[in-house]
Amino acid sequence: QVQLQESGPGLVKPSETLTVTCNVSGYSISSGYYWGWLRQPPGKGLEWIGNIDHSGSTDYSPSLRGRVSISLDPSENQFYLKMTSVTAADTAVYYCTRMPDSSGPSHYWGQGTLVTVSP
Amino acid sequence: DIQMTQSPSSLSASVGDRVTITCRASQNIDNYLTWYQQKPGKAPKLLIYTTSNLQSGVPSRFSGSGSGTDFTLTINSLQPEDFGAYFCQQTYITPQTFGQGTKVEIK
Repeated sequence: QVQLQESGPGLVKPSETLTVTCNVSGYSISSGYYWGWLRQPPGKGLEWIGNIDHSGSTDYSPSLRGRVSISLDPSENQFYLKMTSVTAADTAVYYCTRMPDSSGPSHYWGQGTLVTVSP
Repeated sequence: DIQMTQSPSSLSASVGDRVTITCRASQNIDNYLTWYQQKPGKAPKLLIYTTSNLQSGVPSRFSGSGSGTDFTLTINSLQPEDFGAYFCQQTYITPQTFGQGTKVEIK
């Protein structure tokens, strides 16, 4: 049974860097599939951030490109989202997901982790 | 970016009703349309992918149709557990984009 679980800092100050970790169990992330990040500001809709494939190739939303990077660590079976120069607009629940390919839906989701950007 | 427009933004229906939610893309997305259900405080749950394919374990009262720019999610015989928000997503071109959501309330 594939399971994903996010962990994050909870609170980040404006202009700082946010790092969220997704721990994957039940499947080796280096074996295949695409691994993605999405976010949802409180009370609002969903936004796609980007994804990474099992070989480390990435794709990012143009609106966030330059501020975000996604990486994976097969030895820990984890992948990461790093976002620099955060503002209050980056306050959201951050979800990690697994997709069959770059055009596929998110079949598996973590439970989400709320990150608040505040002084 | 491709804009996804859902309607209605909210609806209230009775148990047993047939419910229809529509999603319109600002350009052709072929059949790369996904539907999710989200309960309060929970992650979205995949219902339907590539327009009409029912995810394993999802009740058959859910169905999807459409192509190109116009898509529909239908819930036949609405059940009490079907309350929540429903989102469409296009995965045809990055950035993948979502509709703004439809909140379904049970009368």
